[in-house]
Amino acid sequence: DTAVSQTPKYLVTQMGNDKSIKCEQNLGHDTMYWYKQDSKKFLKIMFSYNNKELIINETVPNRFSPKSPDKAHLNLHINSLELGDSAVYFCASSIRPGPSISGANVLTFGAGSRLTVL
Amino acid sequence: AQSVTQPEDQVNVAEGNPLTVKCTYSVSGNPYLFWYVQYPNRGLQFLLKYITGDNLVKGSYGFEAEFNKSQTSFHLKKPSALVSDSALYFCAVKDSGSARQLTFGSGTQLTVLP
Repeated sequence: DTAVSQTPKYLVTQMGNDKSIKCEQNLGHDTMYWYKQDSKKFLKIMFSYNNKELIINETVPNRFSPKSPDKAHLNLHINSLELGDSAVYFCASSIRPGPSISGANVLTFGAGSRLTVL
Repeated sequence: AQSVTQPEDQVNVAEGNPLTVKCTYSVSGNPYLFWYVQYPNRGLQFLLKYITGDNLVKGSYGFEAEFNKSQTSFHLKKPSALVSDSALYFCAVKDSGSARQLTFGSGTQLTVLP
């Protein structure tokens, strides 16, 4: 069974379109994340949700809207796609981070969704 | 603020030789340090972490890393490299006193030559 699964794996679309990427985890984790990996492989966090509540939004444009219907799912919707949105988007999950040593939890990543905007 | 630097974009090593992938960090408090590996067209996989305790941390696939507080480093090592170790390696840091999430380095592409 895949622990963190993302769909679709590949997405090719035109500028201006709206698209969604879905993510599901079956690990029972409380916290889910979206990361963006650019063409130079640089990895940056976009959002973090803990038990359906947004806890991190790292200066991501409003065109990106995460939605978490339950703690096992975190979907990413992108409006008015731009060329610069082309990247690989990774979903990840972990048990709930905290202020103490439990905050150093390990992330489990999905296989990634490669978005190409033409 | 927290940051992590991987000074080498690319490391090449012959199969059977020891390998080192370098990482230095900067945090205000105490660091939590991680290494992840990414194989082509795959997500990142956890290798090992340092939280506290013994400075030498052993992880998956025979990898280990040594926490050096004075040099603010957390280099990844393996005594004998395999061709299958060829992948992209990421170091990551979290300041234990901060609510911020992990900050990843820019990655180091390791190529093990047969």
